[in-house]
Amino acid sequence: DVQLTQSPSSLSASVGDSVTLTCRASQNINIDLNWYQQKSGKAPELLIFGASSLLSGVPSRFSGSGSGTDFTLTISSLQPEDFATYYCQQSYSTVFTFGPGTKVDLK
Amino acid sequence: QVQLVQSGAEVKKPGASVKVSCKASGYTFFTYAVHWVRQAPGQSLEWLGWINAGNGNTKYSQIFQGRMTITRDTAASTVYMELSSLRSEDTAVYYCARLTGYSDSSGYYEYLQHWGQGTLVTVSS
Repeated sequence: DVQLTQSPSSLSASVGDSVTLTCRASQNINIDLNWYQQKSGKAPELLIFGASSLLSGVPSRFSGSGSGTDFTLTISSLQPEDFATYYCQQSYSTVFTFGPGTKVDLK
Repeated sequence: QVQLVQSGAEVKKPGASVKVSCKASGYTFFTYAVHWVRQAPGQSLEWLGWINAGNGNTKYSQIFQGRMTITRDTAASTVYMELSSLRSEDTAVYYCARLTGYSDSSGYYEYLQHWGQGTLVTVSS
């Protein structure tokens, strides 16, 4: 199975900050990498698919990049509603996997 | 609009089985695969398996092979996830999610855009 690691596991930031989250795959997964945001007690919500395509309706301060094994999610100018946990997920294999997540909280 | 509505919370004893349902609406049921994901308290998301709602083919995480069965009822537009031989470590919120496939000039992408509200399964003696 494709294993995903995420770093950092958590970070503290302030409103207005720009943050970059990283996801690394154990093998080449092309651009078959999606990003989700999850708030406490809620189902995950898709932000980005295909490594860099923003889902319609998702604010443009979210952006994704990468291919192969290394991917990033950048949130420019953090807003109060962005404090949450972010997960990457690969769809390269028919056996999907999620990364362990990065929690973004308020400094 | 696409909706996935899951069955209510369950409390089970170790060794028992649980069957969680996921009723779909707002789209042509047999056209899309449905995946299952769980989240233990304070833990990350764990992918469980999926079913092709059209032909019923399934794929499971190796961790759950032999202990999990995903089925569907096309007449009821409902997918079911059954987990047997429950243990305390199976206590989690279980989510169903519909797969979306999207194609453009760059390629074909698959992602989980629509999710159920989650079902808490508690395993306790």
